[in-house]
Amino acid sequence: DAGVIQSPRHEVTEMGQEVTLRCKPISGHNSLFWYRQTMMRGLELLIYFNNNVPIDDSGMPEDRFSAKMPNASFSTLKIQPSEPRDSAVYFCASSGGGDSYEQYFGPGTRLTVT
Amino acid sequence: QKEVEQNSGPLSVPEGAIASLNCTYSDRVSQSFFWYRQYSGKSPELIMSIYSNGDKEDGRFTAQLNKASQYVSLLIRDSQPSDSATYLCAVKGQNFVFGPGTRLSVLP
Repeated sequence: DAGVIQSPRHEVTEMGQEVTLRCKPISGHNSLFWYRQTMMRGLELLIYFNNNVPIDDSGMPEDRFSAKMPNASFSTLKIQPSEPRDSAVYFCASSGGGDSYEQYFGPGTRLTVT
Repeated sequence: QKEVEQNSGPLSVPEGAIASLNCTYSDRVSQSFFWYRQYSGKSPELIMSIYSNGDKEDGRFTAQLNKASQYVSLLIRDSQPSDSATYLCAVKGQNFVFGPGTRLSVLP
């Protein structure tokens, strides 16, 4: 079975540019999570969706970040405009939902903003 | 006080020994607890989940939960060099929070 798929795996962009990260959850999972990981701050939950509806976006740093889940098999995380401090590894994870928060992570997108 | 705390390590143990990893949390309403392993440059991988007080065993891994003390631990028996990684504790209470991780090094 395919796991969580993320694209791109690496992204290098200049400050001020728009960045879009993509995620395809495991088929049948109804919860999707976006995380950011840095050495300084560790693994931070940005937002999670249940049945395509955003449930908790309190971790989204600021208005420059937005996330959508138009259907059960696709989600995007957009940063506009990007800044050097956004450089991090961004992970998407999915879970079966309900009472289960056992999450399965994608390979991550390493974002570098210069 | 951070919501989920772990010793950052590194924790070094000889091959074949028991590695003990600890985690404390602050949210008393927490009900679900998870241990993830993350190799350098890779994504976190779920090892175990535990929901009730007591021990839960899976192969060489044992998770222990004590809700009264707000404490969860992971024991790795017969540690192998391939167990060398960062171990992340995650807690689901009102929020879902990961700890900072403990770096484990198993020495051959």
